[in-house]
Amino acid sequence: KAGVTQTPRYLIKTRGQQVTLSCSPISGHRSVSWYQQTPGQGLQFLFEYFSETQRNKGNFPGRFSGRQFSNSRSEMNVSTLELGDSALYLCASSLVGRKSTDTQYFGPGTRLTVL
Amino acid sequence: GENVEQHPSTLSVQEGDSAVIKCTYSDSASNYFPWYKQELGKGPQLIIDIRSNVGEKKDQRIAVTLNKTAKHFSLHITETQPEDSAVYFCAAVVDNYGQNFVFGPGTRLSVLP
Repeated sequence: KAGVTQTPRYLIKTRGQQVTLSCSPISGHRSVSWYQQTPGQGLQFLFEYFSETQRNKGNFPGRFSGRQFSNSRSEMNVSTLELGDSALYLCASSLVGRKSTDTQYFGPGTRLTVL
Repeated sequence: GENVEQHPSTLSVQEGDSAVIKCTYSDSASNYFPWYKQELGKGPQLIIDIRSNVGEKKDQRIAVTLNKTAKHFSLHITETQPEDSAVYFCAAVVDNYGQNFVFGPGTRLSVLP
């Protein structure tokens, strides 16, 4: 079974631009979570989608948004990019997501650099 | 909300020795505790997990122990090998609606040959 895939793997943008990242979960998984990973802040939760609905949200500004499609694929968007948005963005999927104890499986991440 | 602390932040051991990483959490409602290993340029990979109704779990050279009273859990790696070198993250998950994973800051483990 294929793992979680994320595209693109690397991205370079300039301040003020916007960016869209994509995540395809493991087949059959319905929950997709997004995390931002930086050396200083570690792994920080952005949001979680389940059945096309945002179910949980972390403490990030409204410039960060996401969505999930009927096939469980998810996208996240960052508008008006800032230098501090440079990070590894990780997507994780889980099977059902009805309970918080479902195991999360991570993709390889998208490395975003904002110049 | 939940807060997870992890120690040490860096750990160097000789090949063949054991390594222990400890995490503490704040929310007594947490009931699922996974450990992830992240190698350079890759996403975190689940290596072992434990649920609140179990005190210890082993998988070959890796074991995790959980003390719910003290709110801490630990990762034990025996007979370390150079390929164990990576950053290890613990997480605590509160049993509520949704995937609410809170991660520790990570431990960089170096296994010296």
